[in-house]
Amino acid sequence: EIVMTQSPATLSVSPGERATLSCRASQSVSSNLAWYQQKPGQAPRLLIYGASTRATGIPARFSGSGSGTEFTLTISSLQSEDFAVYYCQQYNNWPLTFGQGTKVEIK
Amino acid sequence: QVQLQESGPGLVKPSETLSLTCAVSGYSISSGYYWGWIRQPPGKGLEWIGSIYHSGSTYYNPSLKSRVTISVDTSKNQFSLKLSSVTAADTAVYYCARHGTALHRYYFDYWGQGTLVTVSS
Repeated sequence: EIVMTQSPATLSVSPGERATLSCRASQSVSSNLAWYQQKPGQAPRLLIYGASTRATGIPARFSGSGSGTEFTLTISSLQSEDFAVYYCQQYNNWPLTFGQGTKVEIK
Repeated sequence: QVQLQESGPGLVKPSETLSLTCAVSGYSISSGYYWGWIRQPPGKGLEWIGSIYHSGSTYYNPSLKSRVTISVDTSKNQFSLKLSSVTAADTAVYYCARHGTALHRYYFDYWGQGTLVTVSS
């Protein structure tokens, strides 16, 4: 099983600032990496797939990068609606696995 | 617009079987995609349980495989989850979701709203 490790666990950021979230895989997943956003009481929402492709309707302030074992989600200028928990997911191997999440909170 | 809706008992007794159904609208299950189940214990992260294709082909998480059965009913455009011998550790919000059929498309693009299942006597 591929273990996904996200850091930091919590990120405190002021509105308008840049947020950088990391995700590391225990072995290469190529570019088969997705990012999701989850707000309290809601289902996760797909943000990024293929490590860097934004899903339909996702604002350009969200960007993803990386390949192999190291990945980054960047939110260029945090808006109030972006404060949430973010998960990465690898889909290079079965079983599909998620990271433990990074909570982005208001500083 | 693709929509998924979970349904089933919100309370299950220990050692019994958890049963949930996911009704799909706006897309025919028979047209393709894999249909999966993911769960999230309160305050914790996401765990993939398993996925099924309309043909009945399945993939299960090895950590749960001995207790999980996922089935599909194309005539009703829905798929189901059964998890046997449940314990308190199975208490979670259960989501159904859709993912692609090719390796580079196994990400979840549509999700149900989730349903909380509590295991308690």
